[in-house]
Amino acid sequence: EPEVTQTPSHQVTQMGQEVILRCVPISNHLYFYWYRQILGQKVEFLVSFYNNEISEKSEIFDDQFSVERPDGSNFTLKIRSTKLEDSAMYFCASSARVGTGELFFGEGSRLTVL
Amino acid sequence: SQQGEEDPQALSIQEGENATMNCSYKTSINNLQWYRQNSGRGLVHLILIRSNEREKHSGRLRVTLDTSKKSSSLLITASRAADTASYFCATERGSTLGRLYFGRGTQLTVWP
Repeated sequence: EPEVTQTPSHQVTQMGQEVILRCVPISNHLYFYWYRQILGQKVEFLVSFYNNEISEKSEIFDDQFSVERPDGSNFTLKIRSTKLEDSAMYFCASSARVGTGELFFGEGSRLTVL
Repeated sequence: SQQGEEDPQALSIQEGENATMNCSYKTSINNLQWYRQNSGRGLVHLILIRSNEREKHSGRLRVTLDTSKKSSSLLITASRAADTASYFCATERGSTLGRLYFGRGTQLTVWP
């Protein structure tokens, strides 16, 4: 069954360092998302991406964050200068359509900022 | 807040019993979805119910939606130890398609 894959599964970084989280969405999906879940808290929307541009972003997704689809398969989330509060599980998701379809989530990338 | 809120926060039952989890939300929605998350793993979509639907079934799952009360329930019948997980409701509004608002989840433990 097709699945969303994410790398790395766990990354430890120093505060102030840049981090890139990678995702390979399901191949025929057109909509891509990043969500995050701080330990013990709700899953929160970060950004949605369609047709090579950001469709929507939340207030969490500030100038330190960026997304890119550098080729036909990868979808990346970059955090320019990590803060302690960026420590969380980051989930990539994709969907074939919006409004009536489910999101398919990856297993997540756990980011620990020291 | 447009986010869902589940109750109970934790539910502990024996195998074979039914598990009922509830979700409430605050704004009008396009659809409501339930997801499952095993500890430390990704979210797995279980079922989606549209705002014009009142009940939906999928295997041992039954979801109801009451838009007048802005609430939904997820019933898992004849639960199994393998159903142990966190269950989240997530709402999608019509104007922000694809953006899901998640609740805090219900931690379900099914004892063998």
